Amino acid sequence: GAGVSQSPSNKVTEKGKDVELRCDPISGHTALYWYRQSLGQGLEFLIYFQGNSAPDKSGLPSDRFSAERTGGSVSTLTIQRTQQEDSAVYLCASSLAARGAYNEQFFGPGTRLTVL
Amino acid sequence: DQQVKQNSPSLSVQEGRISILNCDYTNSMFDYFLWYKKYPAEGPTFLISISSIKDKNEDGRFTVFLNKSAKHLSLHIVPSQPGDSAVYFCAASAKTAGNKLTFGGGTRVLVKP
Repeated sequence: GAGVSQSPSNKVTEKGKDVELRCDPISGHTALYWYRQSLGQGLEFLIYFQGNSAPDKSGLPSDRFSAERTGGSVSTLTIQRTQQEDSAVYLCASSLAARGAYNEQFFGPGTRLTVL
Repeated sequence: DQQVKQNSPSLSVQEGRISILNCDYTNSMFDYFLWYKKYPAEGPTFLISISSIKDKNEDGRFTVFLNKSAKHLSLHIVPSQPGDSAVYFCAASAKTAGNKLTFGGGTRVLVKP
């Protein structure tokens, strides 16, 4: 079956421009997560959506970062006025409802963002 | 403040021998621990996990050990195979935090034929 997909796979932008990254989770998965991996670093949590609940935005590094999840499915991560330190691989993951027992998160291939 | 640490950035092992990857954590609220494997240009894939109520979980060639008092876990791969060459991430989760994962920095494993 289809896994988590992300687009674009690569994005090169100029400093100061806005970018939008898209995530299509696995059908039926109500939980959706965004992480990023900067060069040589581990994965860093950004934001988490669970059904209709208010998202957990505790990992967003600045107010230039925002995310939406429309219709409980597709999610878009938006970075406004990009900076060079935003360069990273942005990874999306989805899972079944995150209540009680842990449910495995399935990751997409990521979007590699380069800010020149 | 790194809550999950993998102190060895790389590991080289001969095919057929054991690979041991280590991970330390500081947050006592973590109640579920996972290992993910990542190949270049791909997303991480789940490998094995362990609940905080257990001290060992085994799945084929992979075994994860948890020492709660030391806040330490390890992944054993035996026997190691060339296809195991990848970056391995330790991750931790807390039910109280909605299951978002906190990752270590990763260990790059190279299995030599």
